[in-house]
Amino acid sequence: EAGVAQSPRYKIIEKRQSVAFWCNPISGHATLYWYQQILGQGPKLLIQFQNNGVVDDSQLPKDRFSAERLKGVDSTLKIQPAKLEDSAVYLCASSPRETSGYTFGSGTRLTVV
Amino acid sequence: GEDVEQSLFLSVREGDSSVINCTYTDSSSTYLYWYKQEPGAGLQLLTYIFSNMDMKQDQRLTVLLNKKDKHLSLRIADTQTGDSAIYFCAEIPFTGNTGKLIFGQGTTLQVKP
Repeated sequence: EAGVAQSPRYKIIEKRQSVAFWCNPISGHATLYWYQQILGQGPKLLIQFQNNGVVDDSQLPKDRFSAERLKGVDSTLKIQPAKLEDSAVYLCASSPRETSGYTFGSGTRLTVV
Repeated sequence: GEDVEQSLFLSVREGDSSVINCTYTDSSSTYLYWYKQEPGAGLQLLTYIFSNMDMKQDQRLTVLLNKKDKHLSLRIADTQTGDSAIYFCAEIPFTGNTGKLIFGQGTTLQVKP
């Protein structure tokens, strides 16, 4: 089966600019996650979707981050405006259902200068 | 609370066994995972263990779980240079049971020829 697709692979922006990341999960996977991985740390959950509904967004900085999952398939994560501390790898993952094993995408590496 | 701790670095010689250790705080964790991350890549699920098991073996990988001490270990037999990567321990806390993964900070495994 095809894996989790993410784009772009790399993005460099200036602080206060906006950026968007895209994720296409494995077909049929109901649960989709966005994780933020800062260099030298483990990934941390930003938001979890079950189909097109939000299950957990308690760690999402809602003043600048937003995410949506249209029709329960693809998802976009947006940062507006970006700060230097947003420099990280943004990982998307999907699973058939909650508590199943995840499949991760290759991630988008964001550098904010 | 939810917290996963790992040692940061391990260096071994090719052919030796590697043991990567992890401690977690949520005694009600249902699933415990080991992920591998190579440079510039996403997270690859290596193996997982249910909380009602003590040991799981999968080819060169052996996972040991000590629930009393909340300690998880990953043993890699006959370590190869291709095993050089960052290894993450992760748990799904039972609390809320949304499937959110809590990751440790990762252990960098260096394999010397």
